[in-house]
Amino acid sequence: QSALTQPASVSGSPGQSITISCTGTSSDVGSYNLVSWYQQHPGKAPKLMIYEVSKRPSGVSNRFSGSKSGNTASLTISGLQAEDEADYYCCSYAGSSTWVFGTGTKVTVL
Amino acid sequence: QVQLVESGGGLVKPGGSLRLSCAASGFTFSDYYMSWIRQAPGKGLEWVSYISSSGSTIYYADSVKGRFTISRDNAKNSLYLQMNSLRAEDTAVYYCARGSVVLCFDLWGRGTLVTVSS
Repeated sequence: QSALTQPASVSGSPGQSITISCTGTSSDVGSYNLVSWYQQHPGKAPKLMIYEVSKRPSGVSNRFSGSKSGNTASLTISGLQAEDEADYYCCSYAGSSTWVFGTGTKVTVL
Repeated sequence: QVQLVESGGGLVKPGGSLRLSCAASGFTFSDYYMSWIRQAPGKGLEWVSYISSSGSTIYYADSVKGRFTISRDNAKNSLYLQMNSLRAEDTAVYYCARGSVVLCFDLWGRGTLVTVSS
């Protein structure tokens, strides 16, 4: 299983919107609407931000949204805030109770 | 409160063994499938292993298959990872994570560091 491909870094100014892409294959992202996104601050455990491509867990800001087209999923952060500066990872179910994570994207708030 | 707490990490020589534990509290552990996920220093997340709620179904990433063994004790609300034939590339923070019905990981522990070095 190869890691899903994400851009290494994305940056934006406060208040702007940014989008992080996550490209997989027809065996993972393309086959299942089971893409999730995780936020990880330095030295901390990952936190679930999006599940089933576009759903937000209770307590996650509606500034975070997700989508998918074909083999590529995307996470959009609107109204960028300083606290959004973190690493973000996508994850896709890959069948037979296995998962594959993305390479990770460092978000910088300018 | 609802939490997962890993333990058992440390420094081990190549070829050595280590057993990680994950203590669950605040929820009905036996209702959930669980996974181990690791993160090498400065690197991304890698799914390592899955165990069903009853423990009857188990899967591993190819990178650890044949060397690692996942298990659980629902009576003790605990998850384990027995790691044998350790290699330098197994050096990572190991997280235990609770599986959600929508096939993602909705609760993570703080992780335990495993360092494989001579």
